[in-house]
Amino acid sequence: DAKTTQPPSMDCAEGRAANLPCNHSTISGNEYVYWYRQIHSQGPQYIIHGLKNNETNEMASLIITEDRKSSTLILPHATLRDTAVYYCIVRVVFGNEKLTFGTGTRLTIIP
Amino acid sequence: DTGVSQNPRHKITKRGQNVTFRCDPISEHNRLYWYRQTLGQGPEFLTYFQNEAQLEKSRLLSDRFSAERPKGSFSTLEIQRTEQGDSAMYLCASSPLYGVRTEAFFGQGTRLTVV
Repeated sequence: DAKTTQPPSMDCAEGRAANLPCNHSTISGNEYVYWYRQIHSQGPQYIIHGLKNNETNEMASLIITEDRKSSTLILPHATLRDTAVYYCIVRVVFGNEKLTFGTGTRLTIIP
Repeated sequence: DTGVSQNPRHKITKRGQNVTFRCDPISEHNRLYWYRQTLGQGPEFLTYFQNEAQLEKSRLLSDRFSAERPKGSFSTLEIQRTEQGDSAMYLCASSPLYGVRTEAFFGQGTRLTVV
């Protein structure tokens, strides 16, 4: 699986959009970008994933650059409950759902 | 379905003792995973089951660690002769084998403290 780089921490004001960047310059053509988050003392939670098109679901939007070397997770209206560590993971969708986590971005939503 | 369930939530044990954790996956999920997470780090993969077969093991899974999923339903992770370095959160996840959505769902973990 390709390596990802994320900022260690970010702050965002409550009610604003939180934009979390991820660099994955060595991504291969068959690798997807996945995002999980982990709220304190809980297990990771799946958010969204994509290959090359932008994706949106009830939780977030995922914007992947045309060259696929970076992506941005967008939480459109951040709430205090979005305070968590966010993990960007690049993986081949083959065989199983094994995930290789980095250290993620600690997002703090400020009231 | 209440999701992936792990028991116990917390375990304190003395160095050298054996401990066993249990994971009950989401009922229709064929795949089950164990991860370990230490403070400030992301979860690290330990092992993976498809039904009752253990198909992959990380080099992190030393000889003191053993995992089973005897009937393809719940799983246990046993650590023998615990060491202080085994102190961590042990996470279990499950995912379906087929379907449109195959992402992994995680339990809340078992926090092990070895004193």
